[in-house]
Amino acid sequence: SQTIHQWPATLVQPVGSPLSLECTVEGTSNPNLYWYRQAAGRGLQLLFYSVGIGQISSEVPQNLSASRPQDRQFILSSKKLLLSDSGFYLCAWSPRTSGPRGQYFGPGTRLTVT
Amino acid sequence: QQQVKQSPQSLIVQKGGISIINCAYENTAFDYFPWYQQFPGKGPALLIAIRPDVSEKKEGRFTISFNKSAKQFSLHIMDSQPGDSATYFCAGGMNSGYSTLTFGKGTMLLVSP
Repeated sequence: SQTIHQWPATLVQPVGSPLSLECTVEGTSNPNLYWYRQAAGRGLQLLFYSVGIGQISSEVPQNLSASRPQDRQFILSSKKLLLSDSGFYLCAWSPRTSGPRGQYFGPGTRLTVT
Repeated sequence: QQQVKQSPQSLIVQKGGISIINCAYENTAFDYFPWYQQFPGKGPALLIAIRPDVSEKKEGRFTISFNKSAKQFSLHIMDSQPGDSATYFCAGGMNSGYSTLTFGKGTMLLVSP
């Protein structure tokens, strides 16, 4: 079965510090990968998605960037965090198959920027 | 931007009652409609999903009703339990290269004992 991991689970960082969040997927190959941010415990905002190694698409211009160095690894980064970057960051994957299909979310990282 | 509108924002149901959450979509290209359940501090979990060629899908106490002509779909939770208390998200999706999903803003469900 497929498993998605995210770390760290929680993170407290000062304004202006760098950020690196990691996501890995097990049990599948060539997944589509996604980064979402959820603010105030509610709506899901798609930040980035990737359909393959080195292929990143950005949905929202912001202070963040994403990279996919390996097939099942997705990294979210920032050079200098802002207070507004605080939130719950979720990684998700979907299978690379034809037809409509759901996305499967990881456990999330709670980021607090102080 | 094509949206998925979800209502109500919050819902309180007594134990044993029926919880009903409604969603309306605009994009007629959507061909996949999942529901997600999220507990506090956890990632959303895929609960149940439906394709537009089916008017209803039932899995245990959870049922999706789908009205293609009205572009609406709803989640019914029968015999609601306190353990069902969570935030529920509906979404609409298309068969594209990366599995596009447009999410509703969520409904916080509280099932009182």
